[in-house]
Amino acid sequence: DTGVSQDPRHKITKRGQNVTFRCDPISEHNRLYWYRQTLGQGPEFLTYFQNEAQLEKSRLLSDRFSAERPKGSFSTLEIQRTEQGDSAMYLCASTREPFFNEQYFGPGTRLTVT
Amino acid sequence: AQTVTQSQPEMSVQEAETVTLSCTYDTSENNYYLFWYKQPPSRQMILVIRQEAYKQQNATENRFSVNFQKAAKSFSLKISDSQLGDTAMYFCAFMKHVYPGNTPLVFGKGTRLSVIA
Repeated sequence: DTGVSQDPRHKITKRGQNVTFRCDPISEHNRLYWYRQTLGQGPEFLTYFQNEAQLEKSRLLSDRFSAERPKGSFSTLEIQRTEQGDSAMYLCASTREPFFNEQYFGPGTRLTVT
Repeated sequence: AQTVTQSQPEMSVQEAETVTLSCTYDTSENNYYLFWYKQPPSRQMILVIRQEAYKQQNATENRFSVNFQKAAKSFSLKISDSQLGDTAMYFCAFMKHVYPGNTPLVFGKGTRLSVIA
């Protein structure tokens, strides 16, 4: 049983570019979460999916942020027109019924916007 | 909205000693979970221990135990016999229990723990 994986692990981009991150949850985990962690802070919830349905997206930071989980397996998080303030670690976590209180985290994607 | 406060940004402890990390939270909910997560340097976050609010008994996992005071909304983590591998950021987190599947985690800002040889 492999853990949650995220790709890429590091991304450096120039301001104004679009970036996309991928998360592969633990197999058979039907719920997937995205969090953002800035330096010196705890993770902050962004959005989550149950299977392919996005159950909450009001916490996405702006309309430049979007997420998908088209087939209920892997998920992507896209940031359009990146800004320096988007520099952060983006974490993915997954869990499954009935253990929704056990979230397993991936290693994260560290984004640096120059 | 729920909030989680960790008032100790950094702590250190000698190897083999005991250390306690503090956490307080604010909620009007009665049914929830509390967690301590560990994030080692450059490594992924892992669950250390979980407490269900309806359980009065404090959770224990090997060298890790909690002191859960529901009325005071306090949830501290005690690490006994500290080991060098315990060096990490520790996050306290809250999750509201709803049916059918709970809410996302709300995290505190973390406490950086250094275990000194």
